[in-house]
Amino acid sequence: EAQVTQNPRYLITVTGKKLTVTCSQNMNHEYMSWYRQDPGLGLRQIYYSMNVEVTDKGDVPEGYKVSRKEKRNFPLILESPSPNQTSLYFCASSWQQGLTNEQFFGPGTRLTVL
Amino acid sequence: AQSVAQPEDQVNVAEGNPLTVKCTYSVSGNPYLFWYVQYPNRGLQFLLKYITGDNLVKGSYGFEAEFNKSQTSFHLKKPSALVSDSALYFCAVRDKGSNYQLIWGAGTKLIIKP
Repeated sequence: EAQVTQNPRYLITVTGKKLTVTCSQNMNHEYMSWYRQDPGLGLRQIYYSMNVEVTDKGDVPEGYKVSRKEKRNFPLILESPSPNQTSLYFCASSWQQGLTNEQFFGPGTRLTVL
Repeated sequence: AQSVAQPEDQVNVAEGNPLTVKCTYSVSGNPYLFWYVQYPNRGLQFLLKYITGDNLVKGSYGFEAEFNKSQTSFHLKKPSALVSDSALYFCAVRDKGSNYQLIWGAGTKLIIKP
């Protein structure tokens, strides 16, 4: 089944404790992206990757890191999480970052930083 | 600057009645418009898109959307609402001016009452 998977689905952590949220897609997509969803703000892009070893900042990259060592994986790293990073996070992928391609989304990771 | 507005935070419709979820956009070039749906505790799913051609676009689950260039709108519609259509709906746009990144609306919660 074609899908985007994220782990963990739920995470409660404390300020400053490094964490990684994994994202994997099995569709051989070139483009991958991370978003955060907050009430009333819609989706805001954190980072995206056009292909392996190619990443770029989105609208809200502060406090986050990413890497794209393999085509299928695009982990999101929070080196020192803070409470304002409490949010719902989505990973997405698409064939290419063209104008017409729709994105496929993972199920989301709900992160709480205490 | 590119932007998307969904003027209604919530839309309430009785089952069997037609529904409309509004979306207006602002881009510098030709818009490429998308609608996504998010069911509770799920990731976003692609519904439909407008790229070019016929202004009326048909998508999944009986939804359609009408592109209106003069009013810069892309409203989502369905002739007869189902209770199972209750979800959060997002409009998104991209053009060359947004560096191919999707610009998202804040979302509209659709509630269908039996």
